[in-house]
Amino acid sequence: AQSVTQLDSHVSVSEGTPVLLRCNYSSSYSPSLFWYVQHPNKGLQLLLKYTSAATLVKGINGFEAEFKKSETSFHLTKPSAHMSDAAEYFCVVSDAGGADGLTFGKGTHLIIQP
Amino acid sequence: NAGVTQTPKFRILKIGQSMTLQCTQDMNHNYMYWYRQDPGMGLKLIYYSVGAGITDKGEVPNGYNVSRSTTEDFPLRLELAAPSQTSVYFCASSYSARGGYEQYFGPGTRLTVT
Repeated sequence: AQSVTQLDSHVSVSEGTPVLLRCNYSSSYSPSLFWYVQHPNKGLQLLLKYTSAATLVKGINGFEAEFKKSETSFHLTKPSAHMSDAAEYFCVVSDAGGADGLTFGKGTHLIIQP
Repeated sequence: NAGVTQTPKFRILKIGQSMTLQCTQDMNHNYMYWYRQDPGMGLKLIYYSVGAGITDKGEVPNGYNVSRSTTEDFPLRLELAAPSQTSVYFCASSYSARGGYEQYFGPGTRLTVT
């Protein structure tokens, strides 16, 4: 069985400061891990994914995430927040199992203060 | 390239009414999915399909039905709407369920049952 825990339901940062959104996972297999972003009243858009290649993954809009197997973590970071980053972020795990294999975290709401 | 499209965008149903949420993808993906998103929660899988003519239940299938007669279309049917089905519904598709293939999401349908 697989599961995802997003450690913060809300994160508030000032524009121009770093962003850290935390995610821990559990998986019986070698997992694939994703971060998706959802802007208000929009669908989900892929930010980045890890699929057992490089452990540091770069995504769109300056985001990156590091896969740490020993810590079962996949935290999302960005060096400098922009107002347009305000959105809901979902950490998602997919193990090597069947077609229904995506498990979503509950989401982290990122607030950007001017 | 339209990707995944969903209709309608919004709908209000009375208890006991029925409706079909439409989903179409133009990426020739074999795998398609229906999720619901409740406030403060991640996405929960309702049904999925691995190809035309093949569907299977996800985590929360009760009260819903699906069919998959073509590769492109994957409609979701609510037969007897209940207030508990008030939610935002997302359709998604992917090339494969393995190897870290991402899912592409539609813009969602916001359903209210009163």
